[in-house]
Amino acid sequence: QQQVKQSPQSLIVQKGGISIINCAYENTAFDYFPWYQQFPGKGPALLIAIRPDVSEKKEGRFTISFNKSAKQFSLHIMDSQPGDSATYFCAASSNYKLTFGKGTLLTVNP
Amino acid sequence: EPEVTQTPSHQVTQMGQEVILRCVPISNHLYFYWYRQILGQKVEFLVSFYNNEISEKSEIFDDQFSVERPDGSNFTLKIRSTKLEDSAMYFCASSEHRANTEAFFGQGTRLTVV
Repeated sequence: QQQVKQSPQSLIVQKGGISIINCAYENTAFDYFPWYQQFPGKGPALLIAIRPDVSEKKEGRFTISFNKSAKQFSLHIMDSQPGDSATYFCAASSNYKLTFGKGTLLTVNP
Repeated sequence: EPEVTQTPSHQVTQMGQEVILRCVPISNHLYFYWYRQILGQKVEFLVSFYNNEISEKSEIFDDQFSVERPDGSNFTLKIRSTKLEDSAMYFCASSEHRANTEAFFGQGTRLTVV
């Protein structure tokens, strides 16, 4: 029940395309849903986050869509750039910890 | 921009030895965390710490692990007797409020147990 399921495991997108990564959860106690971006050898960096009382949040080229009834949320990267190539983790928070998905390796081809 | 700093960046230790991983959280943050990431796998929660005590810990965080905030700035993770399976990247994180707000991660310490 504590799991966060993330898909796809890897994604290849052409420059300028839209990257979409999906996550699903079971635990209704989760109340905060961040996305993290991780480059090789670096720590996860907070990208964007949403609370379950809103259905969408947009920051620049990054948008989170949240479906509370379906217990699903997704990250959309518009106009994907080669510099966006990284591993993306969704996460869900309850109380004092973050539960992470398994990650999506995004490759944006020039 | 404030950041979480971790030392060392890489630690090699022999099985059975004690290691201490060090972190300096962001100065006005009150909640501190350790996570680990085995190579190629997801980030896993180890422990959270607030007001000088453990708030929550995972099943990974057994008696071999301990955390401490020895002074006003450092936050440490100690592994008493390292095992091969402890080899991983260890990340310290901090947040101003609870984990349901922004948690900022350090660059990590790569621990290799040989």
